[in-house]
Amino acid sequence: EAGVTQFPSHSVIEKGQTVTLRCDPISGHDNLYWYRRVMGKEIKFLLHFVKESKQDESGMPNNRFLAERTGGTYSTLKVQPAELEDSGVYFCASSNDPISSYNEQFFGPGTRLTVL
Amino acid sequence: ELKVEQNPLFLSMQEGKNYTIYCNYSTTSDRLYWYRQDPGKSLESLFVLLSNGAVKQEGRLMASLDTKARLSTLHITAAVHDLSATYFCAVDRYSGGGADGLTFGKGTHLIIQP
Repeated sequence: EAGVTQFPSHSVIEKGQTVTLRCDPISGHDNLYWYRRVMGKEIKFLLHFVKESKQDESGMPNNRFLAERTGGTYSTLKVQPAELEDSGVYFCASSNDPISSYNEQFFGPGTRLTVL
Repeated sequence: ELKVEQNPLFLSMQEGKNYTIYCNYSTTSDRLYWYRQDPGKSLESLFVLLSNGAVKQEGRLMASLDTKARLSTLHITAAVHDLSATYFCAVDRYSGGGADGLTFGKGTHLIIQP
């Protein structure tokens, strides 16, 4: 079974540009999560999808970040316009526990974003 | 604000020794997660602890949970070099038992020297 995949693995952009990150969850996983780790800090929750619906987006830092999950499959996270403080590693995770008793999340390898 | 604190943040130890990583958290959640991350790789799920007194073991790693003390420990027995990695603990953002996002500790960077 394929794991969570993310694309690209690295992205270097200039301040003010737009970047779109993609996450493909494990097939059949309804729950999809985005996290971010800024250098030297904790891994921080950004948002949670259940299928195509945003269940919790309270971790999104501001309105320059837009996440979508078309058809409840893959998800994209767009940053527009990017700022220096957006640099970090963006992780995606998915889980499939339908009754939410376990909540074990499986993580992708992350996208390292550098904003210059 | 929910806080998860790991101790120590950095640990260098010799092969064959035992050590414990501590994870304190401020929520009333009954679930706690341990992950391992190798450099440049995904976070790998190690343990999911579901209730007070839960203890799980895998090889040289053993995790336990005391929800009353809001404390989890990850114990390493007779460490070997392959266990060198960064270890994270995490708890649910909300205590309702749903499929919530997680709040992580800062991670413990563990180096095991031959």
